[in-house]
Amino acid sequence: DQQVKQNSPSLSVQEGRISILNCDYTNSMFDYFLWYKKYPAEGPTFLISISSIKDKNEDGRFTVFLNKSAKHLSLHIVPSQPGDSAVYFCAASARGAGSYQLTFGKGTKLSVIP
Amino acid sequence: DTGVSQDPRHKITKRGQNVTFRCDPISEHNRLYWYRQTLGQGPEFLTYFQNEAQLEKSRLLSDRFSAERPKGSFSTLEIQRTEQGDSAMYLCASSSRTGDQPQHFGDGTRLSIL
Repeated sequence: DQQVKQNSPSLSVQEGRISILNCDYTNSMFDYFLWYKKYPAEGPTFLISISSIKDKNEDGRFTVFLNKSAKHLSLHIVPSQPGDSAVYFCAASARGAGSYQLTFGKGTKLSVIP
Repeated sequence: DTGVSQDPRHKITKRGQNVTFRCDPISEHNRLYWYRQTLGQGPEFLTYFQNEAQLEKSRLLSDRFSAERPKGSFSTLEIQRTEQGDSAMYLCASSSRTGDQPQHFGDGTRLSIL
């Protein structure tokens, strides 16, 4: 029973264009969401997060959108760069319920083509 | 801020042996987490410490697994009587207690059971 789902295993985008990575969740207790980027042989690197009291958070080229009613979030990368090629994980936690563990999706492999 | 450090980076052992991994969190982070990641999956939560207290444990943490954080600084994860299914990447993360702070991950210990 996957509580966090990333339904696209892979995504290819041209350099300079927008990359949109999607994530769905089922647990209505989740109130804090994060995106991580992972290169081979390295640990996940934190990118951006959003609390459930917001619907958008921006940090440079990265923007995360949260639609609570649809239980859906997305990560937009604009413009995409070859160095963005990595596996992206969506994660969630239920901090309001006193749980700090992160539940991860299976990841989406992004390839940015020069 | 030297990041989360994990040792060793790789461990190869025979089935039935005991193994111990160490994690040094970012200094002054009082929260420490252990996750396990297998091929094609996102990280799966194992356990969480706040200072020296172990506050959350996953059902994945069987009785062969034990984690400690004796002085609220570094942590160890021990696996007794290793099995083939224990082969995975073991990731450690830490976070600050204040506000909505994300978890920062180390580069992991890759365990291979022969």
